[in-house]
Amino acid sequence: AQSVTQPDIHITVSEGASLELRCNYSYGATPYLFWYVQSPGQGLQLLLKYFSGDTLVQGIKGFEAEFKRSQSSFNLRKPSVHWSDAAEYFCAVGARNQGGKLIFGQGTELSVKP
Amino acid sequence: NAGVMQNPRHLVRRRGQEARLRCSPMKGHSHVYWYRQLPEEGLKFMVYLQKENIIDESGMPKERFSAEFPKEGPSILRIQQVVRGDSAAYFCASSPVGGAHQETQYFGPGTRLLVL
Repeated sequence: AQSVTQPDIHITVSEGASLELRCNYSYGATPYLFWYVQSPGQGLQLLLKYFSGDTLVQGIKGFEAEFKRSQSSFNLRKPSVHWSDAAEYFCAVGARNQGGKLIFGQGTELSVKP
Repeated sequence: NAGVMQNPRHLVRRRGQEARLRCSPMKGHSHVYWYRQLPEEGLKFMVYLQKENIIDESGMPKERFSAEFPKEGPSILRIQQVVRGDSAAYFCASSPVGGAHQETQYFGPGTRLLVL
């Protein structure tokens, strides 16, 4: 069965430090991959997506992610974290034979220390 | 272009009452998806609809839950005889094209349902 794993439930980084949030997926075919961010009490905002082509994708707010087929991973990175990045981050997977539904990881909550 | 709209943003119901959640997709989008987020969990797919059609309802509980997306008006997620376990955030997403084309889904702000 398809699944998405975000191994880190909660991460704390200092402002200005680099960030990497992990995402691993289990799926038989080439997936479509997404990262969304959710601020408290809010909806989900799309950060970036991978459908095909260049495996390093750039998103909004200075985020990037790299698709590594051999590792079944799609980790999210940011070189320098800002206090406003504190939020919950969700990795999601979709696929052609999955119809329209996305499968989400459980999320990683990011805290930023001043 | 307004985003996906959901109302109400917060809904309180007593056990046994009905809850109706509304979702207006982005302009030009004809595909709607509903997801549920239980406390401390990720989002779980419930149902995927096009205008007047249910495409995939594999994530819908078998009883008490129903969804529709009429030709005119918003999509409605209806929960009959609510129980405390229905307390969750319900998110709607829309896309211009769905299914195999896997267009990006854009999410609304959610409806937080609390069942007393």
